[in-house]
Amino acid sequence: DAGITQSPRHKVTETGTPVTLRCHQTENHRYMYWYRQDPGHGLRLIHYSYGVKDTDKGEVSDGYSVSRSKTEDFLLTLESATSSQTSVYFCATGTDTQYFGPGTRLTVL
Amino acid sequence: SQQGEEDPQALSIQEGENATMNCSYKTSINNLQWYRQNSGRGLVHLILIRSNEREKHSGRLRVTLDTSKKSSSLLITASRAADTASYFCATGTSYSGAGSYQLTFGKGTKLSVIP
Repeated sequence: DAGITQSPRHKVTETGTPVTLRCHQTENHRYMYWYRQDPGHGLRLIHYSYGVKDTDKGEVSDGYSVSRSKTEDFLLTLESATSSQTSVYFCATGTDTQYFGPGTRLTVL
Repeated sequence: SQQGEEDPQALSIQEGENATMNCSYKTSINNLQWYRQNSGRGLVHLILIRSNEREKHSGRLRVTLDTSKKSSSLLITASRAADTASYFCATGTSYSGAGSYQLTFGKGTKLSVIP
């Protein structure tokens, strides 16, 4: 997994609650990404970062925010979780080639 | 929107046979990559082919790229049961500006290799 960890690995939460997922890397990559994976949709980019405090939106950014205060950490926040955000979330690092974390399975009831 | 589209969506073959998966895309790219995902795991990078390359090999993997047709194929030769996984193509595109590189993934091909 190229030194990428995600926490938590599994989470069940209720609609309307805030949720923060954490991605931590040890390889000092400049770029970090958050994707979601859903059946029938493959992987879709939520947000990405190209440096500390430098972030931008991806294809499915509505309802999500991110922060990157240190090179090694990239946080994904769902301000008010909805059932449509039930998914598996993957963090990745790298540029040409991306290295993926093990994923976080989030269930919003 | 999805850039790469894999074909077929699912493929079942006998161990020892070759497996071919195809990927089509819509816009110009810098590179095309293939990733593998075992059930419940993260994606693992297999091979990258740049837009000025036509063919690339890595072990039992062979990738071709036809930029005029905007298509790529992944061939796995002499398949093994351990090759059972989902395979995704991803197109890499650079844009102007600092945050300028993105990968766009297809929906994947689910390969089953029967022992």
